[in-house]
Amino acid sequence: NAGVTQTPKFRVLKTGQSMTLLCAQDMNHEYMYWYRQDPGMGLRLIHYSVGEGTTAKGEVPDGYNVSRLKKQNFLLGLESAAPSQTSVYFCASSPFSGGLQETQYFGPGTRLLVL
Amino acid sequence: GNSVTQMEGPVTLSEEAFLTINCTYTATGYPSLFWYVQYPGEGLQLLLKATKADDKGSNKGFEATYRKETTSFHLEKGSVQVSDSAVYFCALRSGGNKLVFGAGTILRVKS
Repeated sequence: NAGVTQTPKFRVLKTGQSMTLLCAQDMNHEYMYWYRQDPGMGLRLIHYSVGEGTTAKGEVPDGYNVSRLKKQNFLLGLESAAPSQTSVYFCASSPFSGGLQETQYFGPGTRLLVL
Repeated sequence: GNSVTQMEGPVTLSEEAFLTINCTYTATGYPSLFWYVQYPGEGLQLLLKATKADDKGSNKGFEATYRKETTSFHLEKGSVQVSDSAVYFCALRSGGNKLVFGAGTILRVKS
């Protein structure tokens, strides 16, 4: 049981390049999330998904797109990277039971540097 | 809107010292409250939680009590170890499925 895994661990992009971050979970969780972590600002929610085929915007969605074609995977895309997107990106997942979203489980993070 | 405020760090303590990290919140309704810990190079892990007023969450010697009257959820530990060195995040969930995090507090414990 690997939990939540993220690919890649580290990436350097030039301004204007595109890339996709992959998150995978093997816990059969309904909910999945993408956060970014910046110094002094904690974690901010980018997008989230409450089930396969559904996505929704979080607090800071601009410049990102997401897809949840399979329940176990949640992809985060940057179509045209900007230096302001330099950050550490965390994926998380959580089960849904009894009408409540339960504890979130986090991946190890992807460090992205945009030059 | 909902928000979480944590004391600024870094907090530097000697081994076996008493730890308090302050956390206060602003929220509508009755949020659930959480402390997450992030060890160097890793993702966040849930440390403890409390879902209603006066609940006490505890784990690994850490404790926090949900104080509705002061809108606080301060993290405490009686005797810290070097292995407790990490970043600690206070968070709340109020309705919906989203967590709101504080900025995080770095804890450094010296031997």
